[in-house]
Amino acid sequence: DVKVTQSSRYLVKRTGEKVFLECVQDMDHENMFWYRQDPGLGLRLIYFSYDVKMKEKGDIPEGYSVSREKKERFSLILESASTNQTSMYLCAIHHTGTSENEQFFGPGTRLTVL
Amino acid sequence: KQEVTQIPAALSVPEGENLVLNCSFTDSAIYNLQWFRQDPGKGLTSLLLIQSSQREQTSGRLNASLDKSSGRSTLYIAASQPGDSATYLCAVKNRDDKIIFGKGTRLHILP
Repeated sequence: DVKVTQSSRYLVKRTGEKVFLECVQDMDHENMFWYRQDPGLGLRLIYFSYDVKMKEKGDIPEGYSVSREKKERFSLILESASTNQTSMYLCAIHHTGTSENEQFFGPGTRLTVL
Repeated sequence: KQEVTQIPAALSVPEGENLVLNCSFTDSAIYNLQWFRQDPGKGLTSLLLIQSSQREQTSGRLNASLDKSSGRSTLYIAASQPGDSATYLCAVKNRDDKIIFGKGTRLHILP
């Protein structure tokens, strides 16, 4: 079974704080993604990575950065958290094994910025 | 630009009934389509993946179909149960590797 874990289920931070959200996968997959999910807006892609030290902007990268130093770990960084970054953050991997090109998601991190 | 639509946004159905959830997409040049389930406050769980060359996939009480030419997919749930209550999302992978999600259908099975 593919396993994707996220460092926290719930997180409360203050405006201006630096926030790290971590995603870890156990299947040596290259492709990893960060989304945010908001009511009425659905899932929106923030950043993705095709391999170690590689990163690509998604549809809404502003206010975020990412880090991929090891293949199994993809971190999303909010340099200076703002209230409009209160959201559900979902990490996903792209499985290209026998279930060709299937996406698997982590459990999500509900971030509240006060 | 690919757009994925799921109608209705919400649906309530008595327990035991068979039901169909709809997903439509504007650009038929897709690589695959995936159906997910999401429980409140949780991540997405993959249900079924249909490659562009396939017409349907089945898993237990779930059957997903794909009609690329008309830009439609359906998720059929047989003999619905209260535990099926969740939000169901479809996602299309384009040929350029972009994945576009619908906004989901919130399903409530009435006991």
